[in-house]
Amino acid sequence: AQRVTQPEKLLSVFKGAPVELKCNYSYSGSPELFWYVQYSRQRLQLLLRHISRESIKGFTADLNKGETSFHLKKPFAQEEDSAMYYCALSGGNRPGAGNMLTFGGGTRLMVKP
Amino acid sequence: NAGVTQTPKFQVLKTGQSMTLQCAQDMNHEYMSWYRQDPGMGLRLIHYSVGAGITDQGEVPNGYNVSRSTTEDFPLRLLSAAPSQTSVYFCASSQHLRGTYEQYFGPGTRLTVT
Repeated sequence: AQRVTQPEKLLSVFKGAPVELKCNYSYSGSPELFWYVQYSRQRLQLLLRHISRESIKGFTADLNKGETSFHLKKPFAQEEDSAMYYCALSGGNRPGAGNMLTFGGGTRLMVKP
Repeated sequence: NAGVTQTPKFQVLKTGQSMTLQCAQDMNHEYMSWYRQDPGMGLRLIHYSVGAGITDQGEVPNGYNVSRSTTEDFPLRLLSAAPSQTSVYFCASSQHLRGTYEQYFGPGTRLTVT
């Protein structure tokens, strides 16, 4: 069974400090990993996908298959980064499996001024 | 485009009542899904559809029914509401883009069952 674990429910940092939101997964195959973000009073939206190897809003995430991790990092946190962050995984052999996400429990990031 | 829309935004039900949560998308996406969001548990997949007329169960399907008669609509039915179904429900649609799927979420429906 596939599983995503985000060990921290709350992460509080000061503005300008580095941020790392942890994500570990279990999956017997080649998963696709994503980070989704939900800002206050907004919809859940895609932030990053591992396949794209991109940096969005200063955030990056590297898939480490050896450690089965996909941690989200940003060198200098901003107040507007305060939000709920979800790590998610998709995969499997069923039709449309790439469309089905397994989410972690989420980490609330609070960036203090 | 309105994207993914959900109605109602809030709903209170009594145990045993039935209701339908509506979801519609105007992006011509093949794939649609329903998730429930509970504190500390993230989002869990209830049911999903890979196209009109095709639905399948997700991780937590018990107590819910779905149908997909058109590409645009994907309603979620609660047959006999229970307090354990108190949650926030999100509908999503997705397309295959740049080698992967990108999901678009609706604003959510907050359901309370008393």
